[in-house]
Amino acid sequence: AQSVAQPEDQVNVAEGNPLTVKCTYSVSGNPYLFWYVQYPNRGLQFLLKYITGDNLVKGSYGFEAEFNKSQTSFHLKKPSALVSDSALYFCAVRDFNPMEYGNKLVFGAGTILRVKS
Amino acid sequence: NAGVTQTPKFQVLKTGQSMTLQCAQDMNHNSMYWYRQDPGMGLRLIYYSASEGTTDKGEVPNGYNVSRLNKREFSLRLESAAPSQTSVYFCASSLRDRDGLYSNQPQHFGDGTRLSIL
Repeated sequence: AQSVAQPEDQVNVAEGNPLTVKCTYSVSGNPYLFWYVQYPNRGLQFLLKYITGDNLVKGSYGFEAEFNKSQTSFHLKKPSALVSDSALYFCAVRDFNPMEYGNKLVFGAGTILRVKS
Repeated sequence: NAGVTQTPKFQVLKTGQSMTLQCAQDMNHNSMYWYRQDPGMGLRLIYYSASEGTTDKGEVPNGYNVSRLNKREFSLRLESAAPSQTSVYFCASSLRDRDGLYSNQPQHFGDGTRLSIL
């Protein structure tokens, strides 16, 4: 079965510093990977996805993620953190069944990002 | 704004009561999903509907039923609520890719229903 792990419950960074939120995955076959962000009392918002192609994927709000097949990782990054980036971040992998339509996802437990001014 | 609408936003139930959580999307999406979110556990899939007319169990379906009423609406029913079902419930929808099977379209989420069962 497909799975993702987010090894850090919380990441703290200072505003203006680069940030990294880690994600590792375990899949059979090619991984389809996603990052979502959740602000308080809101639903999840899509940030970016990796399906195939360039290992560096660019997404919304200046975020990017680096796919590394040898390390089975898909870390979320941003060159310069903002206080407004403080939120809960989820990594997800598509739960792939070639006989099914739709896009079932398996989510990690989430990482709280706190950016301090 | 277009998107996924969930009702109600908050609900308190007593053990054994029943209720239905409503979800509607106006993006003409094919697939819809129900998740529950619990602290430290991420989101877990309860049921999903890959397309109108079909529903399937997810990771944690026990104690729940669903109905895909039409292409827009997908409801979740708790027949006999239990304290273990206290959670935040999210509905999501996604578009099916042209070829249908290998859908990599992102899911769009509603703002959730916060459900407490006493």
